[in-house]
Amino acid sequence: DAGITQSPRHKVTETGTPVTLRCHQTENHRYMYWYRQDPGHGLRLIHYSYGVKDTDKGEVSDGYSVSRSKTEDFLLTLESATSSQTSVYFCAISALGRGELFFGEGSRLTVL
Amino acid sequence: QKEVEQNSGPLSVPEGAIASLNCTYSDRGSQSFFWYRQYSGKSPELIMSIYSNGDKEDGRFTAQLNKASQYVSLLIRDSQPSDSATYLCAVNTLNAGNNRKLIWGLGTSLAVNP
Repeated sequence: DAGITQSPRHKVTETGTPVTLRCHQTENHRYMYWYRQDPGHGLRLIHYSYGVKDTDKGEVSDGYSVSRSKTEDFLLTLESATSSQTSVYFCAISALGRGELFFGEGSRLTVL
Repeated sequence: QKEVEQNSGPLSVPEGAIASLNCTYSDRGSQSFFWYRQYSGKSPELIMSIYSNGDKEDGRFTAQLNKASQYVSLLIRDSQPSDSATYLCAVNTLNAGNNRKLIWGLGTSLAVNP
């Protein structure tokens, strides 16, 4: 299995607080992704990275920022969490960026 | 809007039968196609990828691609209760900026009954 871990796995927070989710990989894969998954919407891309300090927006990037200062770490930050950001967040990695993704176990975020 | 469509199901099949899952896509320029399996409460897991027309077999799984008709299917032979999951279809296409983009279907729920 791909070495990819997410933390925290579960978090409950209040509206307006900042939240950072961490994705760590040991595979040295170039591409890293943050998705959210919600019933009725499926997997939606938030941001992705194609190298250290190289990131780009996905389809639902508003309210989120990312950083990748090292190959192995990709951070997702919610600057001021809202209830609409309650979701399951998945990090994924890919060596070639074609669509073969390896997913982390997910982080369940609840914003009250 | 480029789309990937799947029947949401649930698709119910008896143990030992062949389960057939279908996916259609809108972008004729799509070049690579993927099937992921997601158990309830778990993360998606890649089970098949296919890049050219025809069939690709891997154990009990066969992916079929027909670019002219713009569909890709997944056959699961000798279905087992452990195959019960949601199957996600993903298609790699080009966006407006000529960059690769992975488009996801909403998934088909499969139930294999003992």
